[in-house]
Amino acid sequence: SQQGEEDPQALSIQEGENATMNCSYKTSINNLQWYRQNSGRGLVHLILIRSNEREKHSGRLRVTLDTSKKSSSLLITASRAADTASYFCATAQTGANSKLTFGKGITLSVRP
Amino acid sequence: GAVVSQHPSWVICKSGTSVKIECRSLDFQATTMFWYRQFPKQSLMLMATSNEGSKATYEQGVEKDKFLINHASLTLSTLTVTSAHPEDSSFYICSRKRQGVWGYTFGSGTRLTVV
Repeated sequence: SQQGEEDPQALSIQEGENATMNCSYKTSINNLQWYRQNSGRGLVHLILIRSNEREKHSGRLRVTLDTSKKSSSLLITASRAADTASYFCATAQTGANSKLTFGKGITLSVRP
Repeated sequence: GAVVSQHPSWVICKSGTSVKIECRSLDFQATTMFWYRQFPKQSLMLMATSNEGSKATYEQGVEKDKFLINHASLTLSTLTVTSAHPEDSSFYICSRKRQGVWGYTFGSGTRLTVV
């Protein structure tokens, strides 16, 4: 069953604006990950945040995690047309090879 | 370059035939790989966990006799869709854990169309 629920389902912004995507989950997690998927392609790992972390940065990406609310957000700053893609949050429970449970995804469109 | 190679990238087959999809870990040996299925504009649903040298672990509701998984070597897992039907048309993606770090690396996916 799906664990993560992202919102909004779709987001359209102008190039240069910031994009914020939210994800909620239901059970205890070891870590939460964000992935990007271009249309018809595989997924690319963007960033991972552990359950004992609250915020993490990677380039133009900023991810937060609130375990008390079971939610996470992904912020993409200074968006570019090339950021247009679907974004998924995924949660992992314990175990080195634990399986990922994906949310429904958010379709981000960045208008040039 | 891709460290998880998935082949073919797309395939069209007739109803009733079987299709094999390969997933190769190019940079290190993967004892565990994962197979996902994705319908258009939907999320990824885990189908099964492929374990080298042993039987795959299937998720609830996935028919193991229809979706045959073989992980005969540490670098190759295959998914065979047997007696394919149009409802099996989907995007199939494999993945494995990234070496030394958390997070997973995904193949580029296979678009299966059954006509």
